[in-house]
Amino acid sequence: RKEVEQDPGPFNVPEGATVAFNCTYSNSASQSFFWYRQDCRKEPKLLMSVYSSGNEDGRFTAQLNRASQYISLLIRDSKLSDSATYLCVVWGSSNTGKLIFGQGTTLQVKP
Amino acid sequence: ETGVTQTPRHLVMGMTNKKSLKCEQHLGHNAMYWYKQSAKKPLELMFVYSLEERVENNSVPSRFSPECPNSSHLFLHLHTLQPEDSALYLCASSQGSGAYEQYFGPGTRLTVT
Repeated sequence: RKEVEQDPGPFNVPEGATVAFNCTYSNSASQSFFWYRQDCRKEPKLLMSVYSSGNEDGRFTAQLNRASQYISLLIRDSKLSDSATYLCVVWGSSNTGKLIFGQGTTLQVKP
Repeated sequence: ETGVTQTPRHLVMGMTNKKSLKCEQHLGHNAMYWYKQSAKKPLELMFVYSLEERVENNSVPSRFSPECPNSSHLFLHLHTLQPEDSALYLCASSQGSGAYEQYFGPGTRLTVT
C-alpha cells in the first residue's frame, strides 16, 4: 500500500464549479499534513497546511480526518488559474519524519 | 522568485559522463533536500542535509553523490547514470528538517542517453 494515495484524475470541471480531492495516508502516527500545488513544468509550492480543526483560505478549505486517515481539499468557485496538480503531503510517515508526497491530483478548469 | 536557484535547468548526458547539479538557497534556511520526480510518480526524497550534515540517504544508488559545502549550497554529483535516471531533479530548502514548509527550486530536467 502506498504511504500517501491520491486519485490522479484528471478532474475536468467548468469555471465556477466546486471540486473536492481526497487523499489517504497509511501511517496513523503521521503528524503534519499539507497541500502543495504544482503547475505544469514548474516546481511545487505550498498551498496550505492542514490542521486538525480544519482550515480555510479564501476559496480553499482543507480538512483532516484522523480516524479515517484522510485529508481533503475543497475548492469553491473554480477559476481557470486553479488548473494545476495538487499534491497531498504528509510528514511523520516514517521513523525519520520526512515529508512524503502523493502522486498528485490533476485539475483542469474549463471556461 | 529567486529564493532557490538550480543550474543547469536542462542537462543531457551520456551514461559514461560525469556532471554535477548545483542548488543555492538565499532564504537563510538550515535544511536542504534533493528530490527526484519521474513522470506519473510521486516526488521521491533522495537526500536531506541539516546544518550541512547528511541526515537522510534514502537508499539512493551510489552513482548519485551529494555534497553540501555550506548551508546555502547543495550539489548532486552524477556519474555512470542509467537511462532510467532521466527525470526532473528538484532541490528544496526549509527552515529546519522537520515539518516546515519546503521551498523548491525550478529543477533540472535530466536526460540520460
